Amino acid sequence: EPEVTQTPSHQVTQMGQEVILRCVPICNHLYFYWYRQILGQKVEFLVSFYNNEISEKSEIFDDQFSVERPDGSNFTLKIRSTKLEDSAMYFCASTQESQGTGELFFGEGSRLTVL
Amino acid sequence: SQQGEEDPQALSIQEGENATMNCSYKTSINNLQWYRQNSGRGLVHLILIRSNEREKHSGRLRVTLDTSKKSSSLLITASRAADTASYFCAPTGFQKLVFGTGTRLLVSP
Repeated sequence: EPEVTQTPSHQVTQMGQEVILRCVPICNHLYFYWYRQILGQKVEFLVSFYNNEISEKSEIFDDQFSVERPDGSNFTLKIRSTKLEDSAMYFCASTQESQGTGELFFGEGSRLTVL
Repeated sequence: SQQGEEDPQALSIQEGENATMNCSYKTSINNLQWYRQNSGRGLVHLILIRSNEREKHSGRLRVTLDTSKKSSSLLITASRAADTASYFCAPTGFQKLVFGTGTRLLVSP
């Protein structure tokens, strides 16, 4: 069964360092998302991406964050200068159907630990 | 976008019992989806019910939707230890999915 894959599964970084989290969405999907979950808290929306541009972003998704789909298969989330509070699980998700009309397929997440 | 409010926050049952979780929301929707999250893992889609449907089944899952009361319920029948997880509803109207705090289900052997 097709699945969303994310790498790395766990990354430890120093505060102020740049981090890139990678996702390979399901191949015929058109809509892509990043969510994050701070330990013990709810899953929060970060950004949605369609047709090679951001369609929506949350307040969390400030200038330190960026997303890219560089080669038609990977979908990346970059954090330019990590802060302690960026420590969280980051989930990528994709769907074939337009926003809210179909199921989201989630990856297993990338755990980011900022020291 | 709106998030659903799941109730109860936590539910503890024995294997073989049924588990019922409820979801309430505030504004009109196109569909409502239920997801499961095992601890530390990604969310897994369980079932989608459209606004013109009242009930839907998938295996041991039964979902109901009452748009007049803006509420939904998820019933898991004959629960198993492997059903232990957090369950989230996502009411949506052509917008991104937003998740609430969920119901934590613990199924004891």
